[in-house]
Amino acid sequence: SQTIHQWPATLVQPVGSPLSLECTVEGTSNPNLYWYRQAAGRGLQLLFYSVGIGQISSEVPQNLSASRPQDRQFILSSKKLLLSDSGFYLCAWSPNRDGELFFGEGSRLTVL
Amino acid sequence: GESVGLHLPTLSVQEGDNSIINCAYSNSASDYFIWYKQESGKGPQFIIDIRSNMDKRQGQRVTVLLNKTVKHLSLQIAATQPGDSAVYFCAENKGAYGNKLVFGAGTILRVKS
Repeated sequence: SQTIHQWPATLVQPVGSPLSLECTVEGTSNPNLYWYRQAAGRGLQLLFYSVGIGQISSEVPQNLSASRPQDRQFILSSKKLLLSDSGFYLCAWSPNRDGELFFGEGSRLTVL
Repeated sequence: GESVGLHLPTLSVQEGDNSIINCAYSNSASDYFIWYKQESGKGPQFIIDIRSNMDKRQGQRVTVLLNKTVKHLSLQIAATQPGDSAVYFCAENKGAYGNKLVFGAGTILRVKS
């Protein structure tokens, strides 16, 4: 069966510090991978998605970046965090173009 | 612009009653819709999906209805239970490459015992 792992689960970072959130998927190959952000009490905003290694599409301009160094690994990064980067970050994968998304458990980021 | 939104931000129902959560979408070209349930502090979980060539789909205790004429989607939960308390999101697939799900703001469902 397929599983998705996301870490760390929570972190508190000072403004201006770097960020690295990691996500891996097991039990499948060539998944579509996604990063979403959810502000408190709000819906999910798509940040990045990837249909293959090294292929990253950005949905909104921001100081975040994403990378896919391996088929089942997706990394969300920032060189300098802003207060507005606080939120709940969710990694997700899908097996095909029109299938459902399977979400990880999320990473809660607080920038102080 | 294109968007998916929900009519009711909070819905309170008595345990055992049926719940109906509504969603409106604006892109008539969207062909795939999903309902997700999100419990506090967790990632969203798939509930049920429907394609635009259908107007109704049933699962276990849940039914999704799609009205393409008025671009309206609803989730019906039968015999609502305390464990159904969560935030419910509808999502619309708008992707040309892979899935690009656009989520609505969410509806909080509170089940009273």
